[in-house]
Amino acid sequence: DTAVSQTPKYLVTQMGNDKSIKCEQNLGHDTMYWYKQDSKKFLKIMFSYNNKELIINETVPNRFSPKSPDKAHLNLHINSLELGDSAVYFCASSSPSGEPLEQYFGPGTRLTVT
Amino acid sequence: KQEVTQIPAALSVPEGENLVLNCSFTDSAIYNLQWFRQDPGKGLTSLLLIQSSQREQTSGRLNASLDKSSGRSTLYIAASQPGDSATYLCAVETSGSRLTFGEGTQLTVNP
Repeated sequence: DTAVSQTPKYLVTQMGNDKSIKCEQNLGHDTMYWYKQDSKKFLKIMFSYNNKELIINETVPNRFSPKSPDKAHLNLHINSLELGDSAVYFCASSSPSGEPLEQYFGPGTRLTVT
Repeated sequence: KQEVTQIPAALSVPEGENLVLNCSFTDSAIYNLQWFRQDPGKGLTSLLLIQSSQREQTSGRLNASLDKSSGRSTLYIAASQPGDSATYLCAVETSGSRLTFGEGTQLTVNP
């Protein structure tokens, strides 16, 4: 199936731990994103990569570090997890530059920090 | 800074009703506007994308309009069904391939 996939779907961990979330898209898109959806369901962009280069970096703690080994993958590593990091994290990808920016989302990773 | 507002925050209607969801944005310098659907515990599904030069887009029972100068969009759902129950999100694209989302309208269609 062509899609944006994320692993794991659920992640429960303790404060202070380091964890990673993986994202892969097989849509041939050049741009990938990470979003955070908080408990109030508000969706906010964190990072965007285009062809493995960082193009959007919102005001996110530097404990969050995205890594793009190739343009089909954008992983999110989080150091020293805090309670406030609990949220659903969505990966997305978008159609090539020059076309309308239609974004395709993964199923989300629900992170719970205890 | 672009801000997107959606009204109402929640809406409950009986099956078969036609309904309208509203989205407004503060900066009219957008490239396009996209409506998404999010089911509980699931990701986002793109419903309609309207480019800044367009006035509306239609897909099945859904019709989205865009008035860029006034900073407004509406999503019209005809003959609503229980399966339409979900949260509907509006997002606008601004410079730098950036999508700004509204907080969503939670729709419940009662059988």
